Amino acid sequence: RKEVEQDPGPFNVPEGATVAFNCTYSNSASQSFFWYRQDCRKEPKLLMSVYSSGNEDGRFTAQLNRASQYISLLIRDSKLSDSATYLCVVSRYSSASKIIFGSGTRLSIRP
Amino acid sequence: GAGVSQSPRYKVAKRGQDVALRCDPISGHVSLFWYQQALGQGPEFLTYFQNEAQLDKSGLPSDRFFAERPEGSVSTLKIQRTQQEDSAVYLCASSSRGGQTEAFFGQGTRLTVV
Repeated sequence: RKEVEQDPGPFNVPEGATVAFNCTYSNSASQSFFWYRQDCRKEPKLLMSVYSSGNEDGRFTAQLNRASQYISLLIRDSKLSDSATYLCVVSRYSSASKIIFGSGTRLSIRP
Repeated sequence: GAGVSQSPRYKVAKRGQDVALRCDPISGHVSLFWYQQALGQGPEFLTYFQNEAQLDKSGLPSDRFFAERPEGSVSTLKIQRTQQEDSAVYLCASSSRGGQTEAFFGQGTRLTVV
């Protein structure tokens, strides 16, 4: 079983729709949580950090449930430019840091 | 430049050949990570450096893979006797504080073993 699990999709939704992605992680020692975005043939880039209290950045809302070891990302009023792969990321840092990526969820927004 | 730089961008190697992939992290970043990304998959962790110390190499798939960062800045990932299954994009990332802060990625090296 992979340490970070995501629904691979693809999600194909119309412009303006609301879409939600989920992610689960298996290591309870995980300490930091992120969503990264990766465009085709490009490197991953940070979309947003995920805080225990939940956080919002414009059309994007991220939630963390430590008890259930579950992270979510909600995109409202989706744009064509939101089409990408969304990577769920967890990290832990005791003696060493380890940043673990999920396999990604592909999102395609259609006009 | 201000970002993470990787070279070469593309590398074609014959099976059995040795290759060396270079990563120039963002200046001042103490943490450096290497990842392997196969088509349609997320990046898979290979190894982690804090300055010159390799603190975690649990993701290296075999003893043919070796990474170093001798002066705590530039890092090299070496693959000996390349196999077809080594074909992937190799991504390097750096951060100012391990896994606590944003990791900045280079554009990757696409390795094709023929």
